[in-house]
Amino acid sequence: GENVEQHPSTLSVQEGDSAVIKCTYSDSASNYFPWYKQELGKGPQLIIDIRSNVGEKKDQRIAVTLNKTAKHFSLHITETQPEDSAVYFCAALTQAGTALIFGKGTTLSVSS
Amino acid sequence: DADVTQTPRNRITKTGKRIMLECSQTKGHDRMYWYRQDPGLGLQLIYYSFDVKDINKGEISDGYSVSRQAQAKFSLSLESAIPNQTALYFCATQGHLGEKLFFGSGTQLSVL
Repeated sequence: GENVEQHPSTLSVQEGDSAVIKCTYSDSASNYFPWYKQELGKGPQLIIDIRSNVGEKKDQRIAVTLNKTAKHFSLHITETQPEDSAVYFCAALTQAGTALIFGKGTTLSVSS
Repeated sequence: DADVTQTPRNRITKTGKRIMLECSQTKGHDRMYWYRQDPGLGLQLIYYSFDVKDINKGEISDGYSVSRQAQAKFSLSLESAIPNQTALYFCATQGHLGEKLFFGSGTQLSVL
């Protein structure tokens, strides 16, 4: 089955810096890659996603890139703000799969 | 009101007890999921259901059972709770495969 690895497990940056979180997946048939943000005491919420027919997608300060050949995708957050502090999860959905498989999460801390 | 409601929010129980976690949704979604979150392990899929008559095991179904009482209700049971089932449990819904998941606020379960 699908396996998703996520790095780093923790990331600390200064306000205004960029943050990058990377994920790799094992199933080359995977075709949908979302990113979820979990704030303290809440359930995860989708922040951006990308499908296998696209190499990059941006939404304001957030971008996701996908390299199908290398089977990895990354989340990029520019001009980080304290409210970006949260746990971020990547996930993958295989073409034959029926549910998302999540990475282990990255705790991002943005200090002002 | 929340679209996905989990009850209870917190529960402390003893080893060997039977416990049920409940999830209800007002999204009108057919697809519902139960995930377990442990620190450093991310979100692991326990069970999922695509309609009232459909139940599927996830990555870590041993020790758990589910019931889909109606389109809007999906409950998770621990028949005989054990301490390593102490975790944060999330219910999620989805309209169609490849669309975003809507998570509840979670149930923190402690098994003593």
